[in-house]
Amino acid sequence: AQTVTQSQPEMSVQEAETVTLSCTYDTSESDYYLFWYKQPPSRQMILVIRQEAYKQQNATENRFSVNFQKAAKSFSLKISDSQLGDAAMYFCAYRSAWLGGSYIPTFGRGTSLIVHP
Amino acid sequence: DAGITQSPRHKVTETGTPVTLRCHQTENHRYMYWYRQDPGHGLRLIHYSYGVKDTDKGEVSDGYSVSRSKTEDFLLTLESATSSQTSVYFCAISESTGQGEKLFFGSGTQLSVL
Repeated sequence: AQTVTQSQPEMSVQEAETVTLSCTYDTSESDYYLFWYKQPPSRQMILVIRQEAYKQQNATENRFSVNFQKAAKSFSLKISDSQLGDAAMYFCAYRSAWLGGSYIPTFGRGTSLIVHP
Repeated sequence: DAGITQSPRHKVTETGTPVTLRCHQTENHRYMYWYRQDPGHGLRLIHYSYGVKDTDKGEVSDGYSVSRSKTEDFLLTLESATSSQTSVYFCAISESTGQGEKLFFGSGTQLSVL
């Protein structure tokens, strides 16, 4: 079974600075998807960024980017120019890309990001 | 998004009573999931479905059952609610888009069992 580990229960950053959230995963599959979700106090789960394992290029979405290291099974999220609205719980998730594998999304325990003004 | 509606948004119930949570989607996606979210545990899978009447257990399925008689509806039932089932429950679906696979979530149900 796949596992996803977020080793930082809580992180803090100053407004306008950069912060990196870590995520590692364990799998024997070669093709899969990785996700970062943001959950603000409203409880809504918001997709931040997605990476396909077969793509070597790291995904980016505006101020959000990932460092995907397939061999190391690492998928960290970098938030640049942090804003107060970035304060939230962030979840890393894994899902197999093929029906013969586990089609079940697996989540880490989350990292709470605090942004200081 | 994928048109997911969860109901109710909030529910307070008493120990021993049955509770049913509903997840409704509008776009005929095959895969649907029920998760519970608890502090320090992230999201844990309760049950999932891969088609009408096709369901399977997740890692925390004890005390829960599900049904999917129509593509659009996935019901989660707590047969006899216990205080340990106080949690936030999320429904999710898996969708293939032009940009690849995505997961979409409902707004969640806050369930309190007293």
